[in-house]
Parts: sequence; structure tokens; C-alpha cells
Amino acid sequence: EPEVTQTPSHQVTQMGQEVILRCVPISNHLYFYWYRQILGQKVEFLVSFYNNEISEKSEIFDDQFSVERPDGSNFTLKIRSTKLEDSAMYFCASEGGSSYEQYFGPGTRLTVT
Amino acid sequence: QKEVEQNSGPLSVPEGAIASLNCTYSDRGSQSFFWYRQYSGKSPELIMFIYSNGDKEDGRFTAQLNKASQYVSLLIRDSQPSDSATYLCAVNSNTGNQFYFGTGTSLTVIP
Repeated sequence: EPEVTQTPSHQVTQMGQEVILRCVPISNHLYFYWYRQILGQKVEFLVSFYNNEISEKSEIFDDQFSVERPDGSNFTLKIRSTKLEDSAMYFCASEGGSSYEQYFGPGTRLTVT
Repeated sequence: QKEVEQNSGPLSVPEGAIASLNCTYSDRGSQSFFWYRQYSGKSPELIMFIYSNGDKEDGRFTAQLNKASQYVSLLIRDSQPSDSATYLCAVNSNTGNQFYFGTGTSLTVIP
């Protein structure tokens, strides 16, 4: 069964460093998403991406964040200068485009020290 | 600020009983409504989605939507211990591609 994959599973970085989180969406999906979930809190929408451009973004997704689909398979989230409060689980999701049914990857746990 | 509200629980039901989970949302423009299950330390897993007022059944799960009351619910019949998880309600924005999640309701099914 196709699934969304994410790497790495856990990333530890120092405050101020840049991180890139990687996702491989389901191959025939058209819409891609990033979410974050701070420990013990709700899942928060960051950004949606379609046709090689951002479709929507939340207030969380400020200038420190960027997304890219550098090739036909990967979808990345870059945080330019990490802050302590960026520590969270980051989930990638993809959707086929007909029904908003999103399939989530296993997540990357980002720890900023 | 768009809000999705859920009773955080915990909700405990005996095995075989019906579990009822509720959710309200603030954005009247929302058109799509979702229930996800999240086991501890895992990613959300889509259980059901519903777009139209009324009931939608899928196996042991029934989603109910009342747009006038801005209310969505999930019923789990014949609850099993494996149903023990946090259930997340999610709705989309009136623009379509932004999604809001509730804080989730923790369900425990007691054998």
C-alpha cells in the first residue's frame, strides 16, 4: 500500500541553525501539506502546496519557513534559523486532489537546543 | 481565529459499547469535515470524512454532520480495545486548502 515517508525521523539542531525536513508523498498525489504538533498540543496547519506553488499558509508559516518540491518525488520544509519554540513533530501529508483525503507521513521529531 | 472544539476527555467506554465523540467548529464556510485517529507517538490516520448534512456510515463508524449547528460527531459501535486512541476532528477553511484540527478526545475502551 502506498504511503508517505519522511526523513529523518528525529533531527536535533542548535538554535539558529537551518534544517531541512524531507517528505516523499504518495506518487500520484497532487496536493502536499506540512503540519506541526508541539508535544501535547493540537495538530497545526503550516502550508499547502499545489502545482509547484504555495496554495495556502498559516500565520505560523512566516519568512523563516519555506517549502520546495525540488524534483518529482521530494517535498521539503526548510526552517532557516531555528528557534527553541520550533521544537515539535512535523508531519507531511499528501492528497490525491479529489476529496481532501490526506494521508500523513510518520513525522519528523525536531528538537532545537 | 478559526476554532475547532472537542471535549478532551478522557472518555472511557466498556468493550462492545458505543463511543460518541463530538466536535464544534466556528467557520461557517467550512465544507469538509474529517475524523482522524492518532495513537500515542504516531501520526494522524484518516478514519472518515463527511461533506453533507446527515449521517455517513463506514463499518463500525458513523459520522454525523449538522452544518446549521456547526456540529460534527463520530460514533464508534462495538468499541474494541484497539480503538483506544485520541480522535481528532478537522475541518477545512472556507478557501478550501487550509485545515484546522481540534485538540482531540482521548478514548479508552475497557476490556
